[in-house]
This record gives sequence, structure tokens and C-alpha cells, in this order.
Amino acid sequence: GNSVTQMEGPVTLSEEAFLTINCTYTATGYPSLFWYVQYPGEGLQLLLKATKADDKGSNKGFEATYRKETTSFHLEKGSVQVSDSAVYFCALSGSASGGSYIPTFGRGTSLIVHP
Amino acid sequence: GAGVSQSPSNKVTEKGKDVELRCDPISGHTALYWYRQSLGQGLEFLIYFQGNSAPDKSGLPSDRFSAERTGGSVSTLTIQRTQQEDSAVYLCASSLGVAWETQYFGPGTRLLVL
Repeated sequence: GNSVTQMEGPVTLSEEAFLTINCTYTATGYPSLFWYVQYPGEGLQLLLKATKADDKGSNKGFEATYRKETTSFHLEKGSVQVSDSAVYFCALSGSASGGSYIPTFGRGTSLIVHP
Repeated sequence: GAGVSQSPSNKVTEKGKDVELRCDPISGHTALYWYRQSLGQGLEFLIYFQGNSAPDKSGLPSDRFSAERTGGSVSTLTIQRTQQEDSAVYLCASSLGVAWETQYFGPGTRLLVL
């Protein structure tokens, strides 16, 4: 079946540091890939997504590239802010070309950014 | 517009009691998902509704769990004879159509079974 593996947290960084959160996946076919973010006290919300190989999703300074050859979708940001402190979830689902309509989520990676 | 809402936000119950959790999806969204989020774990899929089709119940952990969706809108997740291991945050999400569409999540219901 499908699976998503994220790096363990928490990840602790100083403001303006470079961020990478690793995500790899196992899936049949050509899944769509997502990063969701959960800020303290709030529900999950979509951060970015990519629907085919080599697509780059981007939002709020975050980027992730769909790498089919390495089955990865690593999240990066060049300069984090305290307000980026949250839990980040990598996820996959089927796509228009097929695959499961039931999304699979990673365990989440907590990011703590201090001034 | 209004997002996905869930009620109650918190629920404390005694072992053996039944609980009902409610989800109001975004108007016009045909797909609705229930998930369970336990401490330190990812999101565990429970059940999926799509339009008027029969729901996909493949993620329900036992027959104590059930869900319904009335009129293609509001959904209720019912847990009968609650157990301590049912303690978790229960999340509801809706989307315009199928899974590759963006999911919009509610704030969740935090359930504690004593």
C-alpha cells in the first residue's frame, strides 16, 4: 500500500536559517503530493502541492519539487521566521491518472523557530 | 466564506458511553473525510463520503465506529461504548471533488475517554 515517511522532529532553527524537511513516499502509479501545515491551535491547511513529476509547488516562500526518480517531495525554505513554527505534514493521494482516492499522511514534523 | 466546522471542540466522556461528533463541510463540497489524529501519529483515515455514493468505510477501526452524512452535507461520526484508546483528535475535511483536490480541514474535536 501507499506510505509516506517524514523526518522525525522537532526541528529547531534560528530565525533566517535554511529549512529542509525530508519526505519520501511509496505509491503505485502517479500520485499527487501535498504539504499541509498545522499552526498551533488551528486545523490543517494546504501549504503547497504538485500533481506530476518535476512539478514544483510553492507558497509563502516554501518550495517542494516532485522527484519521481527518488520518490521524494522535500520541503524547503530559504529563510524561516518565528511565525513558521508549526507542524508540517507530507501527504499523497491518487491523481487524475489513477491511484487511491484515500490520502496517506506522514506523521508530521514539528518546526520550532526561535528569534 | 465559512470553512469546515466541527462540534464539539472538546469532549470528555466516561468509558462505555456513546459519543457523537459533528462536521459541517464547506457548502458545495461533495467529498467528506473523517480522520483520527493520535499524539505523535499521522492522520489515520476513517471514512470517506463522495456525493450520493456508498461511503468507503475501510478505515473504521471497529464496529463501534459509524458515520453518516445527511443530505450530502452534515456528517456525524458516532463512537459507541467508548474505550480509552479512542482518545484522540478527530478531524473532518471536505473537498470539491476527489482526493487530488485540496482538502479543507476543520479544527477538530479533541476526545478524551476517562
